[in-house]
Amino acid sequence: GESVGLHLPTLSVQEGDNSIINCAYSNSASDYFIWYKQESGKGPQFIIDIRSNMDKRQGQRVTVLLNKTVKHLSLQIAATQPGDSAVYFCAENPSGGYNKLIFGAGTRLAVHP
Amino acid sequence: EPEVTQTPSHQVTQMGQEVILRCVPISNHLYFYWYRQILGQKVEFLVSFYNNEISEKSEIFDDQFSVERPDGSNFTLKIRSTKLEDSAMYFCASSPTGVGTFGSGTRLTVV
Repeated sequence: GESVGLHLPTLSVQEGDNSIINCAYSNSASDYFIWYKQESGKGPQFIIDIRSNMDKRQGQRVTVLLNKTVKHLSLQIAATQPGDSAVYFCAENPSGGYNKLIFGAGTRLAVHP
Repeated sequence: EPEVTQTPSHQVTQMGQEVILRCVPISNHLYFYWYRQILGQKVEFLVSFYNNEISEKSEIFDDQFSVERPDGSNFTLKIRSTKLEDSAMYFCASSPTGVGTFGSGTRLTVV
């Protein structure tokens, strides 16, 4: 069945270091992917998205890489800050429409001073 | 910045009771969603709603669940007879197109 999973449940980094959060997806038909950040007590917050016709997309301090060959998605955060501490979810849109997102299990990012 | 507003933030209910979770989507959005997140687990899709009807629902969204857009601003999720396993955070989301903006959620506790 469809599934989106994460390689690492917890990632600890030093402030100022770069962080890489990984995600594997299983539905090769998915054409749209999103990274969300969730802080304690809040809803998922959009970070960055990418469509399947792209390999890389950059935002402010964040980069998403998509490897369709191995069905792998990663989120890179440059110069990680304490405010980046949160749970990060990848999500895929398997249907190509505007219906549902399938979320991964989440990775907790802990940034230490 | 426009927000999706959910009320209440926390609802405690007895097993078997009906609950209605309320959401005010962003005003010019056309697509509405409900997701849930059991404590410590991933976010799960429940239902999507467009043009005043359900466009897709998951296997979780059984006959105990229903959604309604009773007026031009509110979007509600009703659980008719709550079970212990319905305890979770329920998130509403809305979007003009594909990317949803999520509310802060309602924590439902069934006792």
